[in-house]
Amino acid sequence: QSALTQPASVSGSPGQSITISCSGTSSDVGAYNYVSWYQQHPGKAPKVMIYDVTYRPSGVSNRFSGSKSGNTASLAISGLQAEDEADYYCSSYTSSRTVVFGGGTKLTVL
Amino acid sequence: QLQLQESGPGLVKPSETLSLTCSVSGASITSSYYHWGWIRQPPGKGLEWIGTMYYSGSTYYNPSLKSRVTISVDTSKNHFSLRLFSVTAADTAVFYCARVPSTYDPNWFDSWGQGTLVTVSS
Repeated sequence: QSALTQPASVSGSPGQSITISCSGTSSDVGAYNYVSWYQQHPGKAPKVMIYDVTYRPSGVSNRFSGSKSGNTASLAISGLQAEDEADYYCSSYTSSRTVVFGGGTKLTVL
Repeated sequence: QLQLQESGPGLVKPSETLSLTCSVSGASITSSYYHWGWIRQPPGKGLEWIGTMYYSGSTYYNPSLKSRVTISVDTSKNHFSLRLFSVTAADTAVFYCARVPSTYDPNWFDSWGQGTLVTVSS
């Protein structure tokens, strides 16, 4: 299975909004509403920010939101804060009953 | 409060078997509400799903690792294990164990261990 495609890096200034895309195929992202997003700070375990495309786990800021159109999912972060600087990964369930991650996106808050 | 803790050798020789255990506290590993999985991350690289064990006992593995990996559970100790056979330097990574909190969407992991670095080297 091939990794989902994410931009290597994105950046934004404090207070601005950014979007990270996650492109897959009709066998993964496009097949189910089972896309999740993780935030990972250096040296730390990943933390789930979005699951089932649009749902936020308890405790995750509502500045984070998810969406999907066809074979591409997106994570939006509004009101950027310095603490949002991290690596972000998408993942999707696949029609083969496996899980595939994206290559990761480094978010820089300028 | 749920806690997961990986344990095992930090150094494995090439061609040998990597064995890790994930000890779970705060939840029963036999609960029908959860599945349990392993994910790895080579130094400086992205996340790679290794496999997931469903509460039913069924296991699903990354096709690229399927021939070399086994995930099993020890209910008496409330832990689950990973075995990766015939390792090479390319298997050097931080290994995470994690919980899948959904019985209908096996894709997302809500609780992770802190991760353990396993280096493959002679």
